[in-house]
Amino acid sequence: DAKTTQPTSMDCAEGRAANLPCNHSTISGNEYVYWYRQIHSQGPQYIIHGLKNNETNEMASLIITEDRKSSTLILPHATLRDTAVYYCIVRVALTGGFKTIFGAGTRLFVKA
Amino acid sequence: DVKVTQSSRYLVKRTGEKVFLECVQDMDHENMFWYRQDPGLGLRLIYFSYDVKMKEKGDIPEGYSVSREKKERFSLILESASTNQTSMYLCASSLAGAASSYNEQFFGPGTRLTVL
Repeated sequence: DAKTTQPTSMDCAEGRAANLPCNHSTISGNEYVYWYRQIHSQGPQYIIHGLKNNETNEMASLIITEDRKSSTLILPHATLRDTAVYYCIVRVALTGGFKTIFGAGTRLFVKA
Repeated sequence: DVKVTQSSRYLVKRTGEKVFLECVQDMDHENMFWYRQDPGLGLRLIYFSYDVKMKEKGDIPEGYSVSREKKERFSLILESASTNQTSMYLCASSLAGAASSYNEQFFGPGTRLTVL
């Protein structure tokens, strides 16, 4: 199964860019990388996904290395409300569907 | 907006009780999932379903069963609750598709179950 490795926690100053790394060295060539975040007492929320190219949306940017073995989620101007656990995930194909493998995630603390 | 609702935010049950956790989604999604979340362990998949009356075991199915009689509803059942099943339970849904296709999972708010 493809798995991901993330740092346990990170700090970021408010207004600065938060760069969250993820290692997914066993990812298959046709699997997307997804990022979700979970704010305390809520269910995980989708942020962004990518396959090979870098991606950007209104929430974040995703940089995927050329060999696809790692990626970085970038929150360009972190705010206190971005304090959350961030999950980098890949999915594994199964007969009839897929399953998602969540790791322990990175707890991001944005400080004033 | 997709909405995934779970029957309770907080639930307290006693050891040995039969527990039902209900999940309903309103976007006609084919896939539905049940996870449990414990400190330091992230989310772990218990069961998932990709169609009505279909179910597949996830990574930690022991002690649990599921039911999907209607497309919009996916129930998680603890036949005889035990203290080690005290956890946060999260339900999710998504459109059908292979792992190689994009289909976002939408999560409910979670049910915090305490088994005494």
